Amino acid sequence: QLVLTQSPSASASLGASVKLTCTLSSGHSNYAIAWHQQQPEKGPRYLMRVNGDGSHNKGDGIPDRFSGSSSGAERYLTISSLQSDDEADYYCQTWGTGIVLFGGGTKLTVL
Amino acid sequence: EVQLVESGGGLVQPGGSLRVSCSASGFTFSSYAMHWVRQAPGTGLEFVSGISSYGGDTYYADSVKGRFTISRDNSKNTLYLQMSSLRAEDTAVYYCVKDMEGPYDYWGQGTLVAVSS
Repeated sequence: QLVLTQSPSASASLGASVKLTCTLSSGHSNYAIAWHQQQPEKGPRYLMRVNGDGSHNKGDGIPDRFSGSSSGAERYLTISSLQSDDEADYYCQTWGTGIVLFGGGTKLTVL
Repeated sequence: EVQLVESGGGLVQPGGSLRVSCSASGFTFSSYAMHWVRQAPGTGLEFVSGISSYGGDTYYADSVKGRFTISRDNSKNTLYLQMSSLRAEDTAVYYCVKDMEGPYDYWGQGTLVAVSS
């Protein structure tokens, strides 16, 4: 069964870097995922697609501070030079024929 | 600039019906599958329904199958979600999303549907 697992919370200091993880369930380690950011009281925004080989394709206007990578069944979102408005919920998404799934989301706190 | 603007949300009684719409602009609407995603208060994102670019294929989450119907009018660049037999657990913000053959690359601002007596 296809499942995406994310840690519920993460924190990092202003100006530092943070790496968020999305883990694909067993047997699905080759799936691509997408990362979405949801700032407080706003709708989600597409950040990027991360493929199984680690390549990624960012959405329009997404700063270079955001990057994606991959290792086995794990897909990563790295945010460098953290800013206060990076404090948000981050969701990963994957898809198949007639199916779309989201991870539970990670709430990022910028200290 | 891609824009997705939802409308039609509101308060409805349990067992009632409601249709929400999404007006799209800034891209060739008829070339892309479109989906609805919802977010109940304080919770995460949940896929609701999707429709192919030409409207011939539709998909539904098990939680709404048989109660919700997705459709589109490519001549009007508009996506619809007809919701019936609404339940309290359908209370959520409903987002219209553009499907980039897998990842959702654009989201609307959402419309709130509240089911309560």
